[in-house]
Amino acid sequence: DAMVIQNPRYQVTQFGKPVTLSCSQTLNHNVMYWYQQKSSQAPKLLFHYYDKDFNNEADTPDNFQSRRPNTSFCFLDIRSPGLGDAAMYLCATSRAPGTLNTGELFFGEGSRLTVL
Amino acid sequence: RKEVEQDPGPFNVPEGATVAFNCTYSNSASQSFFWYRQDCRKEPKLLMSVYSSGNEDGRFTAQLNRASQYISLLIRDSKLSDSATYLCVVKRGNTPLVFGKGTRLSVIA
Repeated sequence: DAMVIQNPRYQVTQFGKPVTLSCSQTLNHNVMYWYQQKSSQAPKLLFHYYDKDFNNEADTPDNFQSRRPNTSFCFLDIRSPGLGDAAMYLCATSRAPGTLNTGELFFGEGSRLTVL
Repeated sequence: RKEVEQDPGPFNVPEGATVAFNCTYSNSASQSFFWYRQDCRKEPKLLMSVYSSGNEDGRFTAQLNRASQYISLLIRDSKLSDSATYLCVVKRGNTPLVFGKGTRLSVIA
C-alpha cells in the first residue's frame, strides 16, 4: 500500500493560475519535504517541515509556499506558475533527522505540473 | 561547484556486463552517503547506504573514499531491469539530503 500519496498525479494549469498540490502520509514521520525535479536534473529541495517547524531553502522563490496543517498532510502552493515551474514535484517523508546514516526518504509518486 | 557531481551518462551496456558509477562530493563535512535509483518518470527509491568499509548487496557494491571525497557503485552481471538513473546522495548532520543529477544506465539485450 502506498505510504506517501500525492494528488493530483498530473496537473495542467495556465500561466499565472494558482495551483495546489497535496501530499499525505501514513508513516507518521516527523519530517516532510517538497522537491522540484526538472528533466535530467537532480531533485531540488524547496522546503521541509520538521513537525510544525518550516524550513525554507534560501533559493526557493516566494512564488512557492507550503502548509502543513497536521502530521499527515502537507501542501505545496504555487501562487503564480510560470513556464519555468513546469516540473515533477516530489513529496517525501523521513523520521526525525539526527541519527547518523538515516538517509531513507520515502517519496510519493510525484505530481507532474504542466504550465500552458 | 555543485555539492554532488556525477557523470550523467548515459551508460549503455550489454546484459551481463559490469558497470561502475562514480560520484564526488565537495563538502568534507558530509557524513552519510547513499545511492538511490530512479526509474523513468518515477520517484527515487533508496538502493543502498554506503559505509566507510564498503558494502555489498547482491550484485551491487558501494565504496566510499573519504580522503578523495569519492563514492562509487559497481553493478555486476547487469540485468535489463537495472536500467534506471542512479542518484548519488550525501547528508551532513541534520541537514536534508543533497542529490546528484544522476547517472543514466541502459542495459541492452
